[in-house]
Amino acid sequence: GNSVTQMEGPVTLSEEAFLTINCTYTATGYPSLFWYVQYPGEGLQLLLKATKADDKGSNKGFEATYRKETTSFHLEKGSVQVSDSAVYFCALSHNTGNQFYFGTGTSLTVIP
Amino acid sequence: DTEVTQTPKHLVMGMTNKKSLKCEQHMGHRAMYWYKQKAKKPPELMFVYSYEKLSINESVPSRFSPECPNSSLLNLHLHALQPEDSALYLCASSQGKGYFDGYTFGSGTRLTVV
Repeated sequence: GNSVTQMEGPVTLSEEAFLTINCTYTATGYPSLFWYVQYPGEGLQLLLKATKADDKGSNKGFEATYRKETTSFHLEKGSVQVSDSAVYFCALSHNTGNQFYFGTGTSLTVIP
Repeated sequence: DTEVTQTPKHLVMGMTNKKSLKCEQHMGHRAMYWYKQKAKKPPELMFVYSYEKLSINESVPSRFSPECPNSSLLNLHLHALQPEDSALYLCASSQGKGYFDGYTFGSGTRLTVV
């Protein structure tokens, strides 16, 4: 079946530190992969996506590369800001289904 | 318009009340979803509508009743809820199955059942 395994949190970083949040997936065929961000008290916002192997998604300084050989889609940012404090969800969509598969979420707190 | 709008933002209801949550989108998306999210957890799928027809019901109790009056609107009717139903209810929409563009989520309705 389809599933997403995400790095456990919470993660606490100092401002300007490097961020990596690990995400691996299990799926048959060719899923699309997404990172969503949820700020406190809000809904989920699409952060970035990749729809095929070796694609790199990027947005607001965040990047993730779709690695089929390691079934991974790790989220990275070179220099985090306090405003990046949020919960990050890795997700998978398969073209044979009609739903998303979410990871458990990783809470990030950035301290000044 | 690239938004999904949910109303109300907050709702407090008693266990004997009847209330409705509303969701609206004008992006021409033909798939719409209701999710339930508990604190510090990922969203859980409740219902999927595709072309205004209910296509997935994830064994949700009958005290939750979805309705899709047209391609832009999605309602969730609530009746005789329990305190454990308190959660953030998220609406989402997608072009097709969301395979290429993902889902667009609303900001949610924070529901408290007392």
